[in-house]
Amino acid sequence: DTGVSQNPRHKITKRGQNVTFRCDPISEHNRLYWYRQTLGQGPEFLTYFQNEAQLEKSRLLSDRFSAERPKGSFSTLEIQRTEQGDSAMYLCASSSPTRGGQNTGELFFGEGSRLTVL
Amino acid sequence: GNSVTQMEGPVTLSEEAFLTINCTYTATGYPSLFWYVQYPGEGLQLLLKATKADDKGSNKGFEATYRKETTSFHLEKGSVQVSDSAVYFCAPEDSNYQLIWGAGTKLIIKP
Repeated sequence: DTGVSQNPRHKITKRGQNVTFRCDPISEHNRLYWYRQTLGQGPEFLTYFQNEAQLEKSRLLSDRFSAERPKGSFSTLEIQRTEQGDSAMYLCASSSPTRGGQNTGELFFGEGSRLTVL
Repeated sequence: GNSVTQMEGPVTLSEEAFLTINCTYTATGYPSLFWYVQYPGEGLQLLLKATKADDKGSNKGFEATYRKETTSFHLEKGSVQVSDSAVYFCAPEDSNYQLIWGAGTKLIIKP
């Protein structure tokens, strides 16, 4: 079990460029979440997948953000036309259902991908 | 809507002091409750959880009891160590089993 893996760990880009982050969840975890975290704040929910289906997307999420999980395994989060306000840590987490078949709030997080937009 | 309120940080204590970080929440029903911890330079990790009223979650010397009457889930540790310095997040679930996150409480332990 290698845990949740995210890359790149750090990305510095110029305003207006596109960036893509990748998340490899714990194998066989059916749910995958993306969060954003800024300094001194808790994680802000962006979106989540159950297998390959994107079940929820935050209303706060700009249409410049898109996420995919094409085969129900790894996921990518793309930010188009980056803005300085996009600078943050992007967190990925995964979970598996309990024996009762329900996913709970027990999440396994990666170390995050830090984005700096200049 | 659902929400969580934690003590504002930073909380600064000396080594071996007693720790309490208060957490209260509003939620429909009886959600599971979680404490997550974020050590410097590391990812968030689950510290402990409680799934029903009067349950006590415990791990690494930390404890928290699910208090339905006061909708609270305060985190306690009898004797803190420098290595406990981190940011602690109380996170109840909402009715869709999604976590509700507050701003966290930064804990600084001085030797």
